[in-house]
Amino acid sequence: QSALTQPASVSGSPGQSITISCTGTSSDVGGYNYVSWYQQHPGKAPKLMIYDVSNRPSGVSNRFSGSKSGNTASLTISGLQAEDEADYYCSSYTSSSTLRVFGTGTKVTVL
Amino acid sequence: QMQLVQSGAEVKKTGSSVKVSCKASGYTFTYRYLHWVRQAPGQALEWMGWITPFNGNTNYAQKFQDRVTITRDRSMSTAYMELSSLRSEDTAMYYCASTIEPTAHSSLNYWGQGTLVTVSS
Repeated sequence: QSALTQPASVSGSPGQSITISCTGTSSDVGGYNYVSWYQQHPGKAPKLMIYDVSNRPSGVSNRFSGSKSGNTASLTISGLQAEDEADYYCSSYTSSSTLRVFGTGTKVTVL
Repeated sequence: QMQLVQSGAEVKKTGSSVKVSCKASGYTFTYRYLHWVRQAPGQALEWMGWITPFNGNTNYAQKFQDRVTITRDRSMSTAYMELSSLRSEDTAMYYCASTIEPTAHSSLNYWGQGTLVTVSS
């Protein structure tokens, strides 16, 4: 089972919107509505930001939103803030024997 | 509140084994799946496996199938991940994480602080 494909880096200025893509296959992203997104600051544990494609856990800012089209899921951060600078990982349930796969990770830089 | 507290950092020799613990509090331990995820220095997250604390059922990533064992002690609300035949590539931060719902596909919404395992010869 290969990792889901994400861009290595995405950047934006404060207040702008950015979108991170997460490309898989019909066996994972495309086959199930079980895509989640995690934010990880340096030296910290990951934090769940989006689950089941587009749902936000309690306490997560509504500036974060998720969507999916075919085999590609997306995380959009609107009104970019300095505190959003972090690594972001997507994850999906998969029908392969691995059952769960993570993305390659995207470093978000706030210019 | 919900909390997962992991055991401390470990330094191990090549070929040996390591056992990391993850103690849960603030919720019913048997209700949520408990996953293990690792992250090598500068690398992406990598899923290793999960356990259902209720009945002890496990599922492992194929990559670790023959080297990892995940167990739990219901009386202690604690899960364990043991990795054997350690090699230098196993040097990583190891995280436990629990799910939102008691299903295999549920997302991981609570994470432990991580346990650094360093493997050297």
